[in-house]
Amino acid sequence: NAGVTQTPKFQVLKTGQSMTLQCAQDMNHNSMYWYRQDPGMGLRLIYYSASEGTTDKGEVPNGYNVSRLNKREFSLRLESAAPSQTSVYFCASSEGGTGGNQPQHFGDGTRLSIL
Amino acid sequence: AQTVTQSQPEMSVQEAETVTLSCTYDTSESDYYLFWYKQPPSRQMILVIRQEAYKQQNATENRFSVNFQKAAKSFSLKISDSQLGDAAMYFCAYRSFQGAQKLVFGQGTRLTINP
Repeated sequence: NAGVTQTPKFQVLKTGQSMTLQCAQDMNHNSMYWYRQDPGMGLRLIYYSASEGTTDKGEVPNGYNVSRLNKREFSLRLESAAPSQTSVYFCASSEGGTGGNQPQHFGDGTRLSIL
Repeated sequence: AQTVTQSQPEMSVQEAETVTLSCTYDTSESDYYLFWYKQPPSRQMILVIRQEAYKQQNATENRFSVNFQKAAKSFSLKISDSQLGDAAMYFCAYRSFQGAQKLVFGQGTRLTINP
């Protein structure tokens, strides 16, 4: 049961470098999400994709771009990494649609450090 | 916009005792969902329990139960017969009934179990 798979698990970047975080789910979910988790804070939504072909900004989108490559995959790109983007990044998926109490399923996270 | 507040950054309890974690939220919506997630040191986000706002009955899952007070916008988690494996960060989360199934998280409560 793979669920939600994120790669890589750890990464260190230098300021100004670019990087793409990959996320794939095998549950046939319609909706996918990217969150960041900073020390002492809960998860905050960066971007989400309610369905294949759509993406929308969340609470903290600045400095990021996303691509919903297909139904399974949702990538997060940092074009020019900054130290403020040092965080743990989580990808999640859910069935989507209005209503229903289906929970989000989370990947194991990517710990990203920007020097 | 909805907000979720967890006022207890840290809690501790003796093994086999009962502990209650607090969560309050702010919303103008009448229909929504509330969740408690557990994050152990492994960093995984694990769903503990969920509650539909339209249900008056409090949700229970084995040793975990909630006290949902809709008028007070309060959603506390009670853990009975605490076990060492319950030690983790606990996050309260809110989701709107309509629209995308994105979550708004509280800041988290770190729970320590004392043997």
